[in-house]
Amino acid sequence: SQTIHQWPATLVQPVGSPLSLECTVEGTSNPNLYWYRQAAGRGLQLLFYSVGIGQISSEVPQNLSASRPQDRQFILSSKKLLLSDSGFYLCAWSPLQGGSNQPQHFGDGTRLSIL
Amino acid sequence: AQSVTQPDIHITVSEGASLELRCNYSYGATPYLFWYVQSPGQGLQLLLKYFSGDTLVQGIKGFEAEFKRSQSSFNLRKPSVHWSDAAEYFCAVGGIGGFKTIFGAGTRLFVKA
Repeated sequence: SQTIHQWPATLVQPVGSPLSLECTVEGTSNPNLYWYRQAAGRGLQLLFYSVGIGQISSEVPQNLSASRPQDRQFILSSKKLLLSDSGFYLCAWSPLQGGSNQPQHFGDGTRLSIL
Repeated sequence: AQSVTQPDIHITVSEGASLELRCNYSYGATPYLFWYVQSPGQGLQLLLKYFSGDTLVQGIKGFEAEFKRSQSSFNLRKPSVHWSDAAEYFCAVGGIGGFKTIFGAGTRLFVKA
């Protein structure tokens, strides 16, 4: 069966520090991968999605970036964190075939607090 | 533009009572519709999905949803709510081309004893 892992589960970082959140998927090949941010009491904001290695689409211009160095690995990064980057970050995957016709499967998230 | 509206930010129901969470979508063609549940501090879990066919779909944890094209709605229901159902519920629409799914803002469900 397919599984998705995100780490770390919780992260506290000072303003201006770098960031690296990692997400890996097991049990499937060529998944579509997604990064979302969820602010407190808010819905999901799509940040990035990827349909293949090295292919990244950005939805929201900001100081975050994403990379997909391997088929089932998706990394969210920042060179200098802002206070506004605080939130709950979720990684998700869906099968390649079918695009948005397919449901997405989510990791357990990373709670990021910026001090 | 495609959109998903969940009119209720939060709902409180008594344990054992029935539940209906509302979802309305805006999309010109037949959408692919989903309901997800999110427990505090966790990711989203798929409850059920509608692609075509029978407009009443059954999901996990005793939930069901009914697709009504004429009302552009996809409401989630459960006949008897358990305390463990307290969570946030998201309606989503896909099948709009590309790879993006549009999520509603969510409805937080509180269950009182």
